[in-house]
Amino acid sequence: EAGVAQSPRYKIIEKRQSVAFWCNPISGHATLYWYQQILGQGPKLLIQFQNNGVVDDSQLPKDRFSAERLKGVDSTLKIQPAKLEDSAVYLCASAFGGSEQYFGPGTRLTVT
Amino acid sequence: KNEVEQSPQNLTAQEGEFITINCSYSVGISALHWLQQHPGGGIVSLFMLSSGKKKHGRLIATINIQEKHSSLHITASHPRDSAVYICAVGLNDMRFGAGTRLTVKP
Repeated sequence: EAGVAQSPRYKIIEKRQSVAFWCNPISGHATLYWYQQILGQGPKLLIQFQNNGVVDDSQLPKDRFSAERLKGVDSTLKIQPAKLEDSAVYLCASAFGGSEQYFGPGTRLTVT
Repeated sequence: KNEVEQSPQNLTAQEGEFITINCSYSVGISALHWLQQHPGGGIVSLFMLSSGKKKHGRLIATINIQEKHSSLHITASHPRDSAVYICAVGLNDMRFGAGTRLTVKP
């Protein structure tokens, strides 16, 4: 069974630029999560999807972050414009309903 | 105070040593997870448990629901065990500890 796929693995941008990350969950997993993990901290939930609907986006900085999962399968997370403090690993995870989450390899973003 | 606290933050051991990482939590939980994160960033689930003890190879995880405490033990540690170990609670609303950075020296 293929795992959660993410791309790109690494991205370096300057502040005020835009960036997008892509996630393809495990086939059949209706629940998809995006997390932000700042160096030295545990992951923080940004947004949770159930199919193509948003379940929880309470910690998503909506002035600059957006996410979509239009067809209920793969998802994109966008930052526009990026700030220095957005430097982090962005993790995508998926789950079958409310069961155990499976994590992707992450995208390491550096904002200079 | 974080809902999930881990100790120690950093741990350095010599190859072969027995290692213990601790996790305390302050919320009611349906499950507790021990996760492993290598430098590349990806996270792998080691254990999910809601009671008692689980063992997989050289790794053992225990949980005490009454005391809201869990431990991850590594027996006969090896340099390839070097990673960040993260404790997390919950299922679809996981809360994470800050992680314990383990370095095992040959």
